Amino acid sequence: QLQLRESGPGQVKASETLSLTCTASGGYIDLGPSYWGWVRQAPGKGLEWIGNSFYSGTTYYNPSLRSRATISVDTSMNEFYLKLASVTAADTAVYYCARHVAAVGGSEQLDSWGQGILVTVSS
Amino acid sequence: SYEMTQPLSVSVALGQTTSITCGAYNIGIKNVHWYQQKPGQAPVLVIYRNKKRPSGIPDRFSGSNLGHTATLTISGAQVGDEADYYCQVWDISNVVFGAGTKLTVL
Repeated sequence: QLQLRESGPGQVKASETLSLTCTASGGYIDLGPSYWGWVRQAPGKGLEWIGNSFYSGTTYYNPSLRSRATISVDTSMNEFYLKLASVTAADTAVYYCARHVAAVGGSEQLDSWGQGILVTVSS
Repeated sequence: SYEMTQPLSVSVALGQTTSITCGAYNIGIKNVHWYQQKPGQAPVLVIYRNKKRPSGIPDRFSGSNLGHTATLTISGAQVGDEADYYCQVWDISNVVFGAGTKLTVL
């Protein structure tokens, strides 16, 4: 049973870069067909997709975050990562990592999720 | 961008049946997935590809998708079904979520 776990700092200063790691266990991230990605949820708000990446490097991003977000995969560590640059208070949220089931032309459902990590952006 | 409309809230009496809709233009040609999220927890996939149930999801949960509306139906609602529910599609290289519906079991 695949398990995902987010890790990283719980607080980031405004204008700096948010960096998170998702560690997979119970399965290998280079065994397809899966994309590996991130979703966030601001306090009291709905789910916002950030983006995903195939282990070979194909990536997709939410257009509203494309200029600031970078998702990468390290198959040797069985981990994938999120970097979000130039953060502001609006980036304060719970960040979830998730497996996206691959399909023709991209991905479909998100069938495994991490527990989430709260990241607060401070001034 | 593709926008999907969900009711803000839905209520159902204990043991009764309720539906949560997700409306969008021609959503019937897309695969719709549904997630349940309880307070303080990560979302859980309850329906994928319109009507399929992941292992471990009770058959009280069912889905349909036709025309401009996808629907999640919960039969015999239980207290434990009280949660936020989100629909989701893949559209032009993006994962898109609906705004979510809060289900209250009375």
